[in-house]
Amino acid sequence: AQSVTQPDIHITVSEGASLELRCNYSYGATPYLFWYVQSPGQGLQLLLKYFSGDTLVQGIKGFEAEFKRSQSSFNLRKPSVHWSDAAEYFCAVGLDQTGANNLFFGTGTRLTVIP
Amino acid sequence: DADVTQTPRNRITKTGKRIMLECSQTKGHDRMYWYRQDPGLGLRLIYYSFDVKDINKGEISDGYSVSRQAQAKFSLSLESAIPNQTALYFCATSKQGVPTQHFGDGTRLSIL
Repeated sequence: AQSVTQPDIHITVSEGASLELRCNYSYGATPYLFWYVQSPGQGLQLLLKYFSGDTLVQGIKGFEAEFKRSQSSFNLRKPSVHWSDAAEYFCAVGLDQTGANNLFFGTGTRLTVIP
Repeated sequence: DADVTQTPRNRITKTGKRIMLECSQTKGHDRMYWYRQDPGLGLRLIYYSFDVKDINKGEISDGYSVSRQAQAKFSLSLESAIPNQTALYFCATSKQGVPTQHFGDGTRLSIL
């Protein structure tokens, strides 16, 4: 069965420090890959996505992610974190085997940013 | 104005009550989804709909029903609410052939 793993439940970083959030998936083929961010009281906002092509993708708010097929990973990175980045981050995988566009979500990583 | 609107944003109700959560969208997408979010569990799919006449169960459909009243409207009902249905509920939309989903701001439901 397909699965999405975000091994870090909670990460704390200092403002200005770099950030990497991990995401691994279990699926036989290359899926569609997404990172969403959820700020308190808000819905999920798409940060970036990977469908095919260049394995390093750029997103909004200065985020980027790299797809590594050999590691079944799609880690999210930011070189310098801002206090406003404090939120919960979800990795999601879309398989589209039946054309359903269904997404499978990881359990999320909560990011705390300290001054 | 939001592209995907959920109402109400918050609801507190009692066990046994019938509850309806509504979702409307102005994106023109044909596909709509209902998820619930629980702490530590991420988002789990309840129901999804490809169009008005196509409704499908998701991972956790027991205790829920849905209605797709129009392409732009997709409602989620709890026929007899129970406390373990307390959660944050999200509606999402997508366009056929495009995997990206677009989310509403959520409905926080508390069942006492």
